Amino acid sequence: DVVLTQTPPTLSATIGQSVSISCRSSQSLLDSDGDTYLNWLLQRPGQSPQLLIYSVSNLESGVPNRFSGSGSETDFTLKISGVEAEDLGVYYCMQATHAPLTFGSGTKLEIK
Amino acid sequence: QIQLVQSGPELKKPGESVKISCKASGYTFTDYAMHWVKQAPGKGLKWMGWINTYTGKPTYADDFKGRFVFSLEASASTANLQISNLKNEDTATYFCARSGMMVPWDAWGQGASVTVSS
Repeated sequence: DVVLTQTPPTLSATIGQSVSISCRSSQSLLDSDGDTYLNWLLQRPGQSPQLLIYSVSNLESGVPNRFSGSGSETDFTLKISGVEAEDLGVYYCMQATHAPLTFGSGTKLEIK
Repeated sequence: QIQLVQSGPELKKPGESVKISCKASGYTFTDYAMHWVKQAPGKGLKWMGWINTYTGKPTYADDFKGRFVFSLEASASTANLQISNLKNEDTATYFCARSGMMVPWDAWGQGASVTVSS
């Protein structure tokens, strides 16, 4: 199974600060069709996960553009440019290139 | 608007069975796959598998073969998850999530809590 290693496990940020979360895969997530199926999700406290970014860098509709994704093959990053209070929660990367689909262990973002 | 509405919380004893439903609205049900995800208390997300809502064919992750069954009531735009012979470790919140060719994982149910306790 593909292992996704997220760092850091926890992140503490002030409002307005920019932060990055890393997601490293145990194997390349580049699919034979040319796409890379690496997504980022946010799970706010007591809520279901929501999609932020799909296929590495595509912003889901309605998601603020302070969120951005980048990377390729095995190394991926989610950046939040100017954290807001509503951004607190647990961020997960997930891959859908290889079966079984797998999730990272999560990065908890706390607001100072 | 697009919604996935799941059934309510369940409290079961070990050995019993439970059926969780996920009713879709706001889109053509058969145009999107439906995935199931488990989240144990205080833990991360684990993919259980998915069901092709057009053909009805289910695919299970290895850890969810045997006691877990995905099914459809297509006429009601509903996907179901049934768990038999419940064990304490099945205590979790179970999410359904749709995934399409263009935008994956863009809608999730609110989660269905299952507690297994004697």
